[in-house]
Amino acid sequence: ILNVEQSPQSLHVQEGDSTNFTCSFPSSNFYALHWYRWETAKSPEALFVMTLNGDEKKKGRISATLNTKEGYSYLYIKGSQPEDSATYLCAFKGGSTLGRLYFGRGTQLTVWP
Amino acid sequence: GAVVSQHPSWVICKSGTSVKIECRSLDFQATTMFWYRQFPKQSLMLMATSNEGSKATYEQGVEKDKFLINHASLTLSTLTVTSAHPEDSSFYICSARGGYDTEAFFGQGTRLTVV
Repeated sequence: ILNVEQSPQSLHVQEGDSTNFTCSFPSSNFYALHWYRWETAKSPEALFVMTLNGDEKKKGRISATLNTKEGYSYLYIKGSQPEDSATYLCAFKGGSTLGRLYFGRGTQLTVWP
Repeated sequence: GAVVSQHPSWVICKSGTSVKIECRSLDFQATTMFWYRQFPKQSLMLMATSNEGSKATYEQGVEKDKFLINHASLTLSTLTVTSAHPEDSSFYICSARGGYDTEAFFGQGTRLTVV
């Protein structure tokens, strides 16, 4: 079983604060790293698919970086808003895992107005 | 993104009964569907992968006779929890993709409680 770790488990920030959280994954046999945003009672929504070491992707106020050699990815949210409150999941896809995703437990973000 | 619809969103059933959960891709043909289970404070764990028209491939430790998966069409897969017991109470969620290297889209999930 592949180990994908996310930290912190939960995070409470004030509106306007910037925040970041971490996903660590195996550094060998890497194929892709997925980030999802999951609001309560909704479907997980894909944020980024990252494949190249050193990749940096951005979507509005959210950005992510990838380091495949050391096996970690950071997700950053600039100027958090209450609507950013959600659980953020990362998922690792390996080169020999036949397309299956290995998920972390998620980071639950709450942004207070 | 594409839409995957999962029903029901929650279900309570008596111990010993069977429960069927449906997962539909509404605007694309899902050649592959994945079924996950999530226990409290745990990660999403893959239970099985099904390709349309083929038997599902189950992950180690998942009983195929207990969790019956049918993927008879390109837009519908079902998961039937047979003879459910309280320990089967969990959150079940499907995802579907159109091709091997394409993005998979998730349903909304089903909260199953067995009493």
